[in-house]
Amino acid sequence: QKEVEQNSGPLSVPEGAIASLNCTYSDRGSQSFFWYRQYSGKSPELIMFIYSNGDKEDGRFTAQLNKASQYVSLLIRDSQPSDSATYLCAVIYYGQIIFGKGTRLHILP
Amino acid sequence: DTAVSQTPKYLVTQMGNDKSIKCEQNLGHDTMYWYKQDSKKFLKIMFSYNNKELIINETVPNRFSPKSPDKAHLNLHINSLELGDSAVYFCASSQDLRSGNTIYFGEGSWLTVV
Repeated sequence: QKEVEQNSGPLSVPEGAIASLNCTYSDRGSQSFFWYRQYSGKSPELIMFIYSNGDKEDGRFTAQLNKASQYVSLLIRDSQPSDSATYLCAVIYYGQIIFGKGTRLHILP
Repeated sequence: DTAVSQTPKYLVTQMGNDKSIKCEQNLGHDTMYWYKQDSKKFLKIMFSYNNKELIINETVPNRFSPKSPDKAHLNLHINSLELGDSAVYFCASSQDLRSGNTIYFGEGSWLTVV
């Protein structure tokens, strides 16, 4: 059974702090990893992807992948109220994409 | 010039009715999907089509029937609607996921069955 696990939250983070979102996956054959952001009443939008072990930075966002431990995380620096949303982790297993249930992030002004 | 577009965006209908949701993508992708997101926000795949052929058909009632007239369109028809069908339905598309691609979602169709 392929699984992608996320803490559902809500995760509350003060404005300006670093928000850390985590995701674990069950299959070592996973190849690609994505983070989507979904605002309430909107569709999921892709914000980060990572394929190789290590860190990948894009603006205030950093994705971290550790294949040995089977986790992928998303760090959001200098959190803004506009970052309040649900963040979905997605993992591709042999041509199929599996979504986690998402973590609700709430940035406190 | 929306990449993945679906209509209608909102749909309120009575139990027992039949309704359709249409989806079109202009990204040139080979694969299209239908996802259901319920009140708990869990995103669950329903169907996947690759070049008009069904490749994923998760356990959904056979009242749900997808139709793909060409690779740019994937419509969802629902017969005999039930209260439990109320959800947001997302259409999505992608290129081959084995090549590092990912999927892109339409704006969603909010279905309410009363």
